[in-house]
Amino acid sequence: DIQMTQSPSTLSASIGARVTITCRASQSISNWLAWYQQKPGKAPKLLIYKTSTLESGVPSRFRGSGSGTEFTLTISSLQPDDFATYYCQQYNSYTFTFGPGTRVEIK
Amino acid sequence: QVQLQQWGAGLLKPSETLSLKCAVHGGSFSGYYWSWIRQPPGKGLEWIGEINQSGNTHYSPSLKSRVTISLDTSESQMSLRLSSVIAADTAVYYCARVAVATNAFDVWGQGTMVIVSS
Repeated sequence: DIQMTQSPSTLSASIGARVTITCRASQSISNWLAWYQQKPGKAPKLLIYKTSTLESGVPSRFRGSGSGTEFTLTISSLQPDDFATYYCQQYNSYTFTFGPGTRVEIK
Repeated sequence: QVQLQQWGAGLLKPSETLSLKCAVHGGSFSGYYWSWIRQPPGKGLEWIGEINQSGNTHYSPSLKSRVTISLDTSESQMSLRLSSVIAADTAVYYCARVAVATNAFDVWGQGTMVIVSS
C-alpha cells in the first residue's frame, strides 16, 4: 500500500503570509494527487486535483505542484478563511490514501 | 448541482452491523465512482471503498473483509454496510463522488457520526 506523509503537521502563519505544505508518497503516484481543505464539523472541500488543476470556484491563491513522490500546496497570501486543516490524497491501483493532515493556525 | 444526503443509525453495539445510505440528488451516475470515507474523532480521513454504475467495487484492503457497498440507481441511492463493528469503527462517515477523469472526491455528503459502544 502507498503511504502518505505531510509536513508540517501544524503551521502557524499570519494573514498575508505565503504558506507551503508538503506531501510525500511512499512510491511514485504519477499525477493522481489531490488537496482538500477541511474546517471543523464540515466535510472536506476539494481544492486541487491531478496535482495542479484548480477546482472550479477555488481562489487562485491556491497552487499545487510536484511529481513522482513529492508534492506541494502553496497558498500565496493567507486569508482569514484559509485557517483550516489540509489533506493530500493519492490514487493508485484502485485505492485511495489520504495524508495525515496539516493544520494551519493563526499566528 | 449534485448534492449527497446521507442517513443511518448513529449508535451501535460491538459486533453489530453498520448500515448507512446516501441519496444522490441532481446528478448522473455515469462517469463517476461513489465512495465512502470515514474520519475518527480528531483524526484523519480513511477511504473505505467505492462502486460505479456497473456495480464494480473496490475496497480498502484493511476493511475489505467487513465492507459491502451497493448502488441502487433506480432509487439514486448508495449504501454502506460494515459488519462486526468495534469501538475503532467510531467515526464520521461520509459519502462522496469520485470523477473517473480526476480520481478526486469533488462532492461530499454532510457526514454521519457513528458511535460504537457497549
